[in-house]
Order: sequence, then C-alpha cells, then structure tokens
Amino acid sequence: GAVVSQHPSRVICKSGTSVKIECRSLDFQATTMFWYRQFPKKSLMLMATSNEGSKATYEQGVEKDKFLINHASLTLSTLTVTSAHPEDSSFYICSAMTSPGSSYNEQFFGPGTRLTVL
Amino acid sequence: DQQVKQNSPSLSVQEGRISILNCDYTNSMFDYFLWYKKYPAEGPTFLISISSIKDKNEDGRFTVFLNKSAKHLSLHIVPSQPGDSAVYFCAASVSTDSWGKLQFGAGTQVVVTP
Repeated sequence: GAVVSQHPSRVICKSGTSVKIECRSLDFQATTMFWYRQFPKKSLMLMATSNEGSKATYEQGVEKDKFLINHASLTLSTLTVTSAHPEDSSFYICSAMTSPGSSYNEQFFGPGTRLTVL
Repeated sequence: DQQVKQNSPSLSVQEGRISILNCDYTNSMFDYFLWYKKYPAEGPTFLISISSIKDKNEDGRFTVFLNKSAKHLSLHIVPSQPGDSAVYFCAASVSTDSWGKLQFGAGTQVVVTP
C-alpha cells in the first residue's frame, strides 16, 4: 500500500511553545488528509479534515485557533499545536486519501507523533 | 460520547485457534464498518470492511460479521498466527456523511501465543 510519513515521531516541548507536525504522502497525491488524536487506551478521535487548497473542517469541540492545519500541497499537511499546554500531550496521527469517493481501504495512516508538553 | 466501543482491551489466543474480536456501536446511521490492524510504531492498516447491506464478509483468514439489530460486529481470525499479534481497531462511518470520516473504537490488543 501507499506510504504516509509523519515528522517528528516524538517531540517534547515546554508549555507555551508551538509545535508543528508534518504529514506527508510519499508516493501518491492526497486530496484529503485527516488528523486524529489518541489518548492512552482510548480510541482515535477525529480532529479535522484537511482538503488541499482549502480551509480545514474541524470536528465539534476542537479549537481551530489552537490546532492550526495547513494542507498546502497534495503531499503535505501540517498540524501546528499553538501555545501548547500539558493537556495537549497526546498521540497525533494523520491519514491520507487519494481522492474523494475513494474506497475506504485507500485511506492510509501515518505512524503517529507522540507529543509531550512539560 | 463514544459511538464505537471495543470493550475488551486485550485478548490472548493460542496459535492455530480462533480469535474473536467484538465491537459495538450506538449510532444507527452507521452503514459502513471497517477493521484496522496496528503494529507498534506504525499507522493502522486496513484489514477488512463490511457494508450494512451485508451480514458477513470474508477475506482469507478474516471474517467480519455484522448484526445490525444488535448494533454489533465481530472479527474472526482463524487460524490465528503469531504475526496477527497487534492492536485491532473497529471503525464505523456514515457513508452519506463526509467521505472518509471514521469513528474508531479504543482497540483490542491481540497476543497470539505459540
């Protein structure tokens, strides 16, 4: 299957700083990318849907000003956690889809990024 | 409000035996269900899916059963192999909603012992 990478895999930052996480589709063009957050022993919670060239659509309860998403190209979406606080510590994972209407097994997931805010 | 639930956080099964993973959902609008498998340090990978118009879908050693009236689905792996040791996520979606939006369960850690 297609490969999706995330960078960094782990990041530790101080409270109040901003952290950027990159999600790249390595061998295909992704018109749509999704960002998820996973708490320990909890399910993956969808945060937002990111479409190339347009504003992200955020799920209810997700602060768009805190979690900035930019899908600047067909192979790259970024999630910036602004003014991070310890409660933002989590596992963030992205997925990428080749085109609208693709079958679900054409949604490929990245390996995730572990964010720890001190 | 978690709409997809996997109530068994872990499952241990002997190699060659059947693994049965369960998943319950609360949203009656869900009409497409998927199972993903995840190894450590890797993203989830698609395993098998089922549409609500079916009650069974089979792919090799993997079979998914859907009971709409009970809002329950299960994944059967037979025979279980050591390489099946992973976390399995159940996911569901409303196909008339934004395509690709999935609601996940918390996952079940499967350990296949020799």
